[in-house]
Amino acid sequence: DGGITQSPKYLFRKEGQNVTLSCEQNLNHDAMYWYRQDPGQGLRLIYYSQIVNDFQKGDIAEGYSVSREKKESFPLTVTSAQKNPTAFYLCASIPWGADFMNTEAFFGQGTRLTVV
Amino acid sequence: GQQVMQIPQYQHVQEGEDFTTYCNSSTTLSNIQWYKQRPGGHPVFLIQLVKSGEVKKQKRLTFQFGEAKKNSSLHITATQTTDVGTYFCAGRGAGSYQLTFGKGTKLSVIP
Repeated sequence: DGGITQSPKYLFRKEGQNVTLSCEQNLNHDAMYWYRQDPGQGLRLIYYSQIVNDFQKGDIAEGYSVSREKKESFPLTVTSAQKNPTAFYLCASIPWGADFMNTEAFFGQGTRLTVV
Repeated sequence: GQQVMQIPQYQHVQEGEDFTTYCNSSTTLSNIQWYKQRPGGHPVFLIQLVKSGEVKKQKRLTFQFGEAKKNSSLHITATQTTDVGTYFCAGRGAGSYQLTFGKGTKLSVIP
């Protein structure tokens, strides 16, 4: 079955440690996204990538880093510089037709990160 | 940058009552999408509106896109307990790959 896989579902880390969240898709989508969700805050864009080896900062990129070495994979690293990393992290991909008309976002199940 | 505002943040209704959530963008949008997130789940795509003044229906759900392509609404007629969840709008500017979400409206339905 095609889809987006985020792992793990729950993640606990000690303060000051970097942690990498995995996101893999087999939908053959070019664009991938990372969003952070906090209660009452909706989804805030961290980073996005339109194609392999290219990515752009979203609205809240500080304290995060990404890579896009393969079309299928877009891992997110939460660094120790992120002041409040405890949140629900969602990865998404969008097929983006040539005319920008096909823009439905497909989401993974999310990773709930708790930093103690 | 592009901002998408959504109101209300919370809505509690009796089962059978109607529900509406509103979305406003600071800039003109190429299209607007609506998603539903059930408690503990991830957002799931509901619909996309592209044309100015467009209205689409899905059973009890009616979606509208404003004439100026800066606002949108989702109306649910005769809510059911299965409608519980958070509804998000998401907008995209012309030529942009960035999809900006509103803060969502959390709907509770009292049986």
